Amino acid sequence: AQSVSQHNHHVILSEAASLELGCNYSYGGTVNLFWYVQYPGQHLQLLLKYFSGDPLVKGIKGFEAEFIKSKFSFNLRKPSVQWSDTAEYFCAVNGWNAGNMLTFGGGTRLMVKP
Amino acid sequence: ETGVTQTPRHLVMGMTNKKSLKCEQHLGHNAMYWYKQSAKKPLELMFVYNFKEQTENNSVPSRFSPECPNSSHLFLHLHTLQPEDSALYLCASSPRDESNNEQFFGPGTRLTVL
Repeated sequence: AQSVSQHNHHVILSEAASLELGCNYSYGGTVNLFWYVQYPGQHLQLLLKYFSGDPLVKGIKGFEAEFIKSKFSFNLRKPSVQWSDTAEYFCAVNGWNAGNMLTFGGGTRLMVKP
Repeated sequence: ETGVTQTPRHLVMGMTNKKSLKCEQHLGHNAMYWYKQSAKKPLELMFVYNFKEQTENNSVPSRFSPECPNSSHLFLHLHTLQPEDSALYLCASSPRDESNNEQFFGPGTRLTVL
């Protein structure tokens, strides 16, 4: 069975601060990894994804994530956050040959103070 | 707007009622999903349909009954629910139910069971 842990439930930052949200997963095989974001009052939407190749993945709005296989991690980063990044962020994983059964982490609520 | 719509957006029902949630996608996708998002719990996959056939039932109680009449529509029929079933129910779709397909989410139906 696969599982995902997001250790930070709530994060508060000031604008221009750097962001790193942790995501660790457990799964014995090859994985696909995702970060989704939910802005206040909006749908869940994809921020970035990793399937294979370069473990450093760049997504929308200046976000990036690094897949470190040895650490079973896929942390999300942004060098300088903006007030508009206030949202809830979800890490998700599915096994490469397990169909599209996403397993989500519990989410991290990010508040960016102007 | 992701191309996935859900109705109703809010629903309040008693434990003896029967109601249905509707999801429609305008993306030409072939796979559709139901998720449950409860307070303080990770997003949980409930059902997966691929080309109108149910491919996953994630140990969901029989008081939740899905129906997929065609690739564009997905229903979740509810009967004799419990208060603990109160949650946000999200629908998603993807081109296929393959692990590297991005899922597109609807806005959800906020369900309250009295």
